[in-house]
Amino acid sequence: AQKVTQAQTEISVVEKEDVTLDCVYETRDTTYYLFWYKQPPSGELVFLIRRNSFDEQNEISGRYSWNFQKSTSSFNFTITASQVVDSAVYFCALSEASYSNASKIIFGSGTRLSIQP
Amino acid sequence: DAGVIQSPRHEVTEMGQEVTLRCKPISGHDYLFWYRQTMMRGLELLIYFNNNVPIDDSGMPEDRFSAKMPNASFSTLKIQPSEPRDSAVYFCASSFGQGWPGELFFGEGSRLTVL
Repeated sequence: AQKVTQAQTEISVVEKEDVTLDCVYETRDTTYYLFWYKQPPSGELVFLIRRNSFDEQNEISGRYSWNFQKSTSSFNFTITASQVVDSAVYFCALSEASYSNASKIIFGSGTRLSIQP
Repeated sequence: DAGVIQSPRHEVTEMGQEVTLRCKPISGHDYLFWYRQTMMRGLELLIYFNNNVPIDDSGMPEDRFSAKMPNASFSTLKIQPSEPRDSAVYFCASSFGQGWPGELFFGEGSRLTVL
């Protein structure tokens, strides 16, 4: 069965600090997809990134970066030089790519990130 | 292009009443998902459809919950009878799957309060 664990319930940092959100997943499949979503105070979930299990290259997008390590079943998310607008709940998610359920996406419990000015 | 549209945005009802939540997915998307978000249980997948056909409803809590997708542009999630523990934010999301998990586009959610 698939499972996503985000052990950090809440994180609070001061603006301009770097912050890393942890995500650990469990799956029996060798082919799977990992995601990060952002839920700002407005409530709507916004897609940030998708990675497949065969691509372990780290990804950087502006101040955001993702570190995927299959050896530790982790897909961590780092925000560099955090800003108040980054305050949100961040969700890590997993989809096992079996044919019958290729699009079943399971979410972790989320990490609430607060950036203080 | 319009995103995923959900209605109502807020619903307050009394225990025992029927509740119907509605969703219009993004045109051209072939997957539609219903999620429920609560503080205690986080984001739970209730059911999802592919080409209007329910694929996995294992997350539907009990028989009081039902979901339909009569056509590619409309889906409903019905709770009958509603109970206070059903209070949550219900999200609808759609994606273009091509057989693999695509990016989910979420609606703004329907906040349900059952008194």
